[in-house]
Amino acid sequence: ELKVEQNPLFLSMQEGKNYTIYCNYSTTSDRLYWYRQDPGKSLESLFVLLSNGAVKQEGRLMASLDTKARLSTLHITAAVHDLSATYFCAVDIQGAQKLVFGQGTRLTINP
Amino acid sequence: DTEVTQTPKHLVMGMTNKKSLKCEQHMGHRAMYWYKQKAKKPPELMFVYSYEKLSINESVPSRFSPECPNSSLLNLHLHALQPEDSALYLCASSQLGRDSYNEQFFGPGTRLTVL
Repeated sequence: ELKVEQNPLFLSMQEGKNYTIYCNYSTTSDRLYWYRQDPGKSLESLFVLLSNGAVKQEGRLMASLDTKARLSTLHITAAVHDLSATYFCAVDIQGAQKLVFGQGTRLTINP
Repeated sequence: DTEVTQTPKHLVMGMTNKKSLKCEQHMGHRAMYWYKQKAKKPPELMFVYSYEKLSINESVPSRFSPECPNSSLLNLHLHALQPEDSALYLCASSQLGRDSYNEQFFGPGTRLTVL
């Protein structure tokens, strides 16, 4: 059974600082997704990582995938308050037609 | 059109009521999903439709009944719900096909309260 674990689950940081969220998964897969969810809102797709070594960047967020280590990272550079949200990683196995989500990381960025 | 829409946005129902949630997408996606999300938890998959056929039912109680009338629409019929069924219900869609991957696009959700 595929398990996906994120850490930390809660992260409070100051504006301007850098930090990384980690996503580990238990079964071989080369397809990993990052989503953002604001309180009371739906999930917004941030990044799709489809191969070992894939790196995607959008603004202050950068995601990477190491399929051999079964690890993805979401790096935040020079955080700003607008990035406060819950971030989920999700993994799927080709052909399984379902995503398995991590527990989510609740990120709070303080001025 | 890259949007998934859901109606209603909010729904309050009693335990004896029958109601339906609706979802629509016009991205040509052939897979559609229902999720249930409780506060501070990740979404839990309920049902998957692939090419308008039910392909996954995650052992959901029969008081939830999905329906896919066509490739753009997905309904969730609700009957005799319990207060613990109160949650955010999310619809999503994705492409299908040999070269496709499972990036799912989510609708805004229906906030359901069962009294």
